Amino acid sequence: AQRVTQPEKLLSVFKGAPVELKCNYSYSGSPELFWYVQYSRQRLQLLLRHISRESIKGFTADLNKGETSFHLKKPFAQEEDSAMYYCALSGPGNYGGSQGNLIFGKGTKLSVKP
Amino acid sequence: NAGVTQTPKFRVLKTGQSMTLLCAQDMNHEYMYWYRQDPGMGLRLIHYSVGEGTTAKGEVPDGYNVSRLKKQNFLLGLESAAPSQTSVYFCASSPRMRSSYNSPLHFGNGTRLTVT
Repeated sequence: AQRVTQPEKLLSVFKGAPVELKCNYSYSGSPELFWYVQYSRQRLQLLLRHISRESIKGFTADLNKGETSFHLKKPFAQEEDSAMYYCALSGPGNYGGSQGNLIFGKGTKLSVKP
Repeated sequence: NAGVTQTPKFRVLKTGQSMTLLCAQDMNHEYMYWYRQDPGMGLRLIHYSVGEGTTAKGEVPDGYNVSRLKKQNFLLGLESAAPSQTSVYFCASSPRMRSSYNSPLHFGNGTRLTVT
């Protein structure tokens, strides 16, 4: 079964420290992985997608198929990075066998202290 | 450009009452979704729609019904609310079913529902 695991409910770091939010997935095919972010009182929005290999707001994430991981990293955390982060997996046949959809992890709350 | 708009923003219901949550998108997206967000559970898909007039069950559909009479609107109904349905509900839309490179999900601001 497809599954996304984010082992940390809460991650607290100091400003300027490196941060890594862990995400592991279970999927038999070739998945598409995403990171979504929800800042306080704002809607969920897409942060990163593995296929684009981009860096957004200093964050990067590399898909490691051997370890089935898609960890989100930033070398120097900022206070404005404090938010809820969700890792998500997209693949065909998640429901009904013929339709694709996003499966979300349970989320990690990042708190960056001054 | 409003994007995805959800109404109402907040609601308190008594057990057994019914209500409808409205989701409207102005991006001409084909696909729409209803998720619920609970502490420690992340986002779970309730129902989704691949186009006007079609709906399908997601991961946690029990106790909910949906309708997509118009392409821009996706309604989530609770016929007889239960305390277990206390949650934050998010609507989302995308131009394609799979949230791929060119079609990430666009989310609404959420509806906070409390059932007493």
